[in-house]
Amino acid sequence: DSGVTQTPKHLITATGQRVTLRCSPRSGDLSVYWYQQSLDQGLQFLIQYYNGEERAKGNILERFSAQQFPDLHSELNLSSLELGDSALYFCASSVAGGGTSTDTQYFGPGTRLTVL
Amino acid sequence: GDSVTQMEGPVTLSEEAFLTINCTYTATGYPSLFWYVQYPGEGLQLLLKATKADDKGSNKGFEATYRKETTSFHLEKGSVQVSDSAVYFCALKKAAGNKLTFGGGTRVLVKP
Repeated sequence: DSGVTQTPKHLITATGQRVTLRCSPRSGDLSVYWYQQSLDQGLQFLIQYYNGEERAKGNILERFSAQQFPDLHSELNLSSLELGDSALYFCASSVAGGGTSTDTQYFGPGTRLTVL
Repeated sequence: GDSVTQMEGPVTLSEEAFLTINCTYTATGYPSLFWYVQYPGEGLQLLLKATKADDKGSNKGFEATYRKETTSFHLEKGSVQVSDSAVYFCALKKAAGNKLTFGGGTRVLVKP
């Protein structure tokens, strides 16, 4: 158990819908990262928040957005869902902002999203 | 841009066999290197890491050495068990960066 929690574990929805994925980081960690794992793209970095502020952005679609709240939990919002958005979405957390070689990311169990 | 290349799987072994999974990377500067493992139906777990050249990461019988001259971080285990069946991901992180860049993953199947 990494200490990172994600809810829900599974999510099934229809095209065009909107969903929210939730992540709680390890105690003491200030950074939250979101990754997408799909069969065709592999593991891709989406976005990072550090202490409530967006810190880095990766291959995140405009239909997707995220935020980090004062209690440091984070939510990833996916809207206008398409079949291709079906994937496993991971959240990770780390102590610092990521800009050091020793800042290790610990992953949650993931949320499996299925878009029908 | 940065990239990580892993040997394609699946790698099928018998119990107590020697395991090697090759990983090479392309990156400027001196990235940190990681191996993560994903057991069936579970999330990613950090297996080991190395932050500078010639560092050796080790955990649960697995080892990997950061070789800057060959830009490699090959994972090895001397005697695998059925419980080592999983997908193994090699990844890098730049010192001044934030994101992890992952390889495609290598599925390992260990048969009794």
